[in-house]
Parts: sequence; C-alpha cells; structure tokens
Amino acid sequence: KQEVTQIPAALSVPEGENLVLNCSFTDSAIYNLQWFRQDPGKGLTSLLLIQSSQREQTSGRLNASLDKSSGRSTLYIAASQPGDSATYLCAVRSDGSNDYKLSFGAGTTVTVRA
Amino acid sequence: NAGVTQTPKFQVLKTGQSMTLQCAQDMNHEYMSWYRQDPGMGLRLIHYSVGAGITDQGEVPNGYNVSRSTTEDFPLRLLSAAPSQTSVYFCASSPRGGDGYTFGSGTRLTVV
Repeated sequence: KQEVTQIPAALSVPEGENLVLNCSFTDSAIYNLQWFRQDPGKGLTSLLLIQSSQREQTSGRLNASLDKSSGRSTLYIAASQPGDSATYLCAVRSDGSNDYKLSFGAGTTVTVRA
Repeated sequence: NAGVTQTPKFQVLKTGQSMTLQCAQDMNHEYMSWYRQDPGMGLRLIHYSVGAGITDQGEVPNGYNVSRSTTEDFPLRLLSAAPSQTSVYFCASSPRGGDGYTFGSGTRLTVV
C-alpha cells in the first residue's frame, strides 16, 4: 500500500522567503505525482503534475522535483507572498493500479506573514 | 470552462435520510471518482468509474452507491445517512490513464 508523508505539517515564513515543502512516498513504482493547493473550505487546485519519467516541472514561481528512487518530491515556491498561504497536498498515482487512485499526504499548511 | 461542478455545496441530513450528490464534468474525461476528506484521515477514494457504464469500489465504499450513465455525470448516492458520513466530498476527473486530476469545489455534508 502506498503511504505518502508530508513534512512539515505546518510552516510559517515572512513574506519574500522561499518555501520548501517535502513529500515522501513508500513505493517508488509511481505513474505520476501531483501537487495541489487547498484554501480553507475550498476545493483542490492543481499546481503541478510530474510524470514518472520527469525530474522536475516548473510553473511561474513554483518548481517541483521528483526523485523516484529515493521516494521523494519537493515543491519550491520562490519569493513567497501572503496569497500563497494555503494547505499544499501531494498526491501519488501508483503504477499498475487499476483504480487510478491517488494516495494523498496529510498536507503542509503554509502561512506567509506580511 | 466549468471543469468539474458539484452540487450542492452544503447539506445537512438527518440520520437515515438518503440523498444524491451531483457531479458533472465538461472536459470529456473518461475517468471520474469520488473522495471524502476527513480531518486526520486525508482524502480517501469511495468509488470510481473508468467510463460510461463502468463503476467500481474504492477504499471506503460502504453506504454509498454510484452510477455512470453518461460520460459527463457521476452522482454519488447515500443510501441511509449515518453520522460517520459527515465529511467533505470531492468529485474528481481525469483523462483516460489518470494523467492529472481536476477536482470539484466539494460538498460539505453534515449528518445529525
């Protein structure tokens, strides 16, 4: 069974600081990994999707890396802003799964202080 | 472009009542699924569908039914609501093969 862990559970930084969010998974046989953002009381917004053959993906101030062999992904957010305050979820789709299920981490709640 | 639309956004039910949570997508995605999100438990898969007419159970299917008569719609039925079904429910869809998921905005359900 795929287990996904996100550390730290919460993070508070001053505006302008770079954010580093970690995600680890137990089974390296993955199809892809997706990072989501969730605002309080809202749905999940997709940030980045990394296929198993890729090492990283970038979108604006966001960069996500993937190291399958060590079972890790890292989401970097450059020059953080108060609007980046949210919970960030990492989700893994395992390879060979017939149900295409996403295994989620518990999330990292980020607060960016103005 | 609406994406994945869920209705209602909020619902309060009494124990034993039944209801249907609606989910519709306009992206012609083959795969659709329902998750529930509970504090400390993360998101867990309830039911999924790989195409019209095909459904299957996920991790926590008990107390829920689904059907998929069209590509666009994937309703989730609560047969006899229980307080343990108090949760936030998310519908998600993806192109065939699960290449990236789009989630709806969720339905917050309270069973009293």
